[in-house]
Amino acid sequence: DQQVKQNSPSLSVQEGRISILNCDYTNSMFDYFLWYKKYPAEGPTFLISISSIKDKNEDGRFTVFLNKSAKHLSLHIVPSQPGDSAVYFCAASEGTGNQFYFGTGTSLTVIP
Amino acid sequence: DAGVIQSPRHEVTEMGQEVTLRCKPISGHDYLFWYRQTMMRGLELLIYFNNNVPIDDSGMPEDRFSAKMPNASFSTLKIQPSEPRDSAVYFCASSLRQGKASYEQYFGPGTRLTVT
Repeated sequence: DQQVKQNSPSLSVQEGRISILNCDYTNSMFDYFLWYKKYPAEGPTFLISISSIKDKNEDGRFTVFLNKSAKHLSLHIVPSQPGDSAVYFCAASEGTGNQFYFGTGTSLTVIP
Repeated sequence: DAGVIQSPRHEVTEMGQEVTLRCKPISGHDYLFWYRQTMMRGLELLIYFNNNVPIDDSGMPEDRFSAKMPNASFSTLKIQPSEPRDSAVYFCASSLRQGKASYEQYFGPGTRLTVT
């Protein structure tokens, strides 16, 4: 059963606007979360992470928000750029384990 | 560094044949992971190694799948015999674990496997 879910397979946004990608998880023991970005024919690359001791982490145009009570995290991209068009995966891990559980991905298209 | 290297990039084979996927992790990394990507399940962890030792292979779907890491710079994922439902993109990733700050995994470009 999927412990990490990305319920929106795709998202289209106008250039310059905000992109919001969502991720839900079921395991309350997860305490570390990452977002990866994947271009076609390439492997995923790390984008941003957040620990459960925080509810927000920001890196340039990318901000990840964590709502532990709702078991929900989101990635905000502001402003969105055409180069941001890619598939975004969220991932979660528990404790000191090294195993990450990935979602199914959301394909973002930023329209010029 | 060249990053994680995977070969072949594409593999087309007939059902029943043996398939071997190869991975060279980033030098110095002590963890190696094999993932499979499908539309339905996203990225699934198949197995991971720490210092060449398999730690968790609970994600390996069947006995037809096996993985080895004979040394720190090489790993293989073998499927024997292959079936059409094994068609997917297989990724290898490596990481260097130095506390929670290094949870980032570095992925290779993947091997697209098609079994006809």
